Amino acid sequence: SQTIHQWPATLVQPVGSPLSLECTVEGTSNPNLYWYRQAAGRGLQLLFYSVGIGQISSEVPQNLSASRPQDRQFILSSKKLLLSDSGFYLCAWSGMERTLHFGNGTRLTVT
Amino acid sequence: GEDVEQSLFLSVREGDSSVINCTYTDSSSTYLYWYKQEPGAGLQLLTYIFSNMDMKQDQRLTVLLNKKDKHLSLRIADTQTGDSAIYFCAETLMDSSYKLIFGSGTRLLVRP
Repeated sequence: SQTIHQWPATLVQPVGSPLSLECTVEGTSNPNLYWYRQAAGRGLQLLFYSVGIGQISSEVPQNLSASRPQDRQFILSSKKLLLSDSGFYLCAWSGMERTLHFGNGTRLTVT
Repeated sequence: GEDVEQSLFLSVREGDSSVINCTYTDSSSTYLYWYKQEPGAGLQLLTYIFSNMDMKQDQRLTVLLNKKDKHLSLRIADTQTGDSAIYFCAETLMDSSYKLIFGSGTRLLVRP
């Protein structure tokens, strides 16, 4: 069966520091992968998606970037965090009938 | 552009039925989904419906789709306190990205 892992679960970082969040998927090949962000009390905003290694599509202009160095690995990064980058970050992969399956999320607080 | 809207809050008594509503704008939607999010957790897929269907039932869950009005609803029968969570409606379009567009979520509170 397929599983998705996201880490860390929580992160507190100062403004201006770098960021690296990692997501890996097991049990499937060449999945579509996604990074969403959920601001407090709000819905989900799609940040990036990837249909294959090295293929990244950005949905919104922002301070973040994404990379897919391996088939089942998706990384969300920033060189310098802003206060507005705080939120709940969710990684997901796309299964049958276009269902999205989410990881447990990373709660990022930028101080 | 694509837009999915939901009411923000619903409160029901334990044992009653809950109905959570959603409207969407894009008529080319192919699949529509309901996700559940408990506090501090990721989203859990509850059920989904293909756009050529009117209804889908899965145990206590019933999904109704009115494609003409672009209205989707999720009915939870015999609502329990464990059903308290945020429920998200989402749609996907007929393109290669498989992106899902989410509503803002409806917070369901089940009172004992």
